[in-house]
Amino acid sequence: QSVLTQPPSVSGTPGQRVTISCSGGSSNIASSTVSWYQQLPGTAPKLLIHSNNQRPSGVPDRFSGSKSGTSASLAISGLQSEDEADYYCAAWDDSLKGYVFGTGTKVTV
Amino acid sequence: EVHLVESGGGLVRPGGSLRLSCAASAFTFSNYCMNWVRQAPGKGLEWVSSISWSSTWTYYADSVKGRFTISRDDAKNSLYLEMNSLRAEDTAVYYCARTLGIGNYYFDYWGQGTLITVSS
Repeated sequence: QSVLTQPPSVSGTPGQRVTISCSGGSSNIASSTVSWYQQLPGTAPKLLIHSNNQRPSGVPDRFSGSKSGTSASLAISGLQSEDEADYYCAAWDDSLKGYVFGTGTKVTV
Repeated sequence: EVHLVESGGGLVRPGGSLRLSCAASAFTFSNYCMNWVRQAPGKGLEWVSSISWSSTWTYYADSVKGRFTISRDDAKNSLYLEMNSLRAEDTAVYYCARTLGIGNYYFDYWGQGTLITVSS
């Protein structure tokens, strides 16, 4: 079962800014860093953001992450059609002694 | 470029066993921790298991504890998942992914996945 809660879907028009929330608790988001993954249809997940707000090389700066307390968020600015995908947050959970993923959010452009 | 390739998926009867493999290339395998993450059809991602460098520590999700065993062979640059007492709810695409450590780390590279179907 998913420990981190995300909205099932968000939508926007090209060029718009959208945000995806990720809500957790004291044993995961509050005590760990958050990473975000993009999963395009029919493909494996791809790292989008790590350490709350760091973009790996090659990830456009349209993607940004932030964290505060027990919540994190991913923002996509200048939304493009190729951003249509499922997005997942993840963190280590100290109580479960394992990684936990968010419920996933489908972005529609 | 880092490459992870899973294999061993297929159709298996409930109660059966299967062994997944993940072949790694283009990085020093022994310097990384390795993980299995699965995704049931139409569902979200679920972490399954992690193994540290030198196989010192292993971690399992409660849903697979006692039934699955993660292992690695650094000489062969390979990761494995031994799956026993399989259930219908284990049906999923299984991905291997690497992390620099276990805990406050992230999955930076993923394989393409291998599908396990548990059905009679």
